[in-house]
Amino acid sequence: EAQVTQNPRYLITVTGKKLTVTCSQNMNHEYMSWYRQDPGLGLRQIYYSMNVEVTDKGDVPEGYKVSRKEKRNFPLILESPSPNQTSLYFCASSLSARTSGYYNEQFFGPGTRLTVL
Amino acid sequence: AQKITQTQPGMFVQEKEAVTLDCTYDTSDPSYGLFWYKQPSSGEMIFLIYQGSYDQQNATEGRYSLNFQKARKSANLVISASQLGDSAMYFCAMTEGFKTIFGAGTRLFVKA
Repeated sequence: EAQVTQNPRYLITVTGKKLTVTCSQNMNHEYMSWYRQDPGLGLRQIYYSMNVEVTDKGDVPEGYKVSRKEKRNFPLILESPSPNQTSLYFCASSLSARTSGYYNEQFFGPGTRLTVL
Repeated sequence: AQKITQTQPGMFVQEKEAVTLDCTYDTSDPSYGLFWYKQPSSGEMIFLIYQGSYDQQNATEGRYSLNFQKARKSANLVISASQLGDSAMYFCAMTEGFKTIFGAGTRLFVKA
């Protein structure tokens, strides 16, 4: 089954304790992205990756790191989490950002609900 | 700067009636893609419909259609014959280059 998986699905942690949220897709997609969803703000893009070893900042990258060493995986790293990073996080992937002038839809993972105390 | 505005935080519609969810956007780039996603109470994000900035015709996907008015920079979602299962949060999104921005969303309630 074609899917984007995220782990863990739920996480409660404390301020300053480094954590990693994993994201994996099995569709051979080039493009992957991380979003956070907060009430009243919709989804905001944290980082995205156009391909292996190519990443760039989205609109809210502060406090986050990413890496793309393999095509299928795109982990999100919080080196020193703070309470303002409490949120619902989504990983998404698409075939590429754009194919012949057509922007591709993104496939989303199930989400990771993170609480930082 | 890119911007997406959804002015309706919540909307009610009677089952079997049509409903329009508003979305306006702002960009200076001539090339962009517009998307609508549905988020049911279970939380997953589901792609509904896409409209490219150069597309001449409005997109349709089953009961979903996108009313694209380029000069007014609007991309409203029309759901025909609403069903109880359409009750959900709906997000309008725009992709420009490699970046995507989302609106704040509209929560739709379908009444039996």
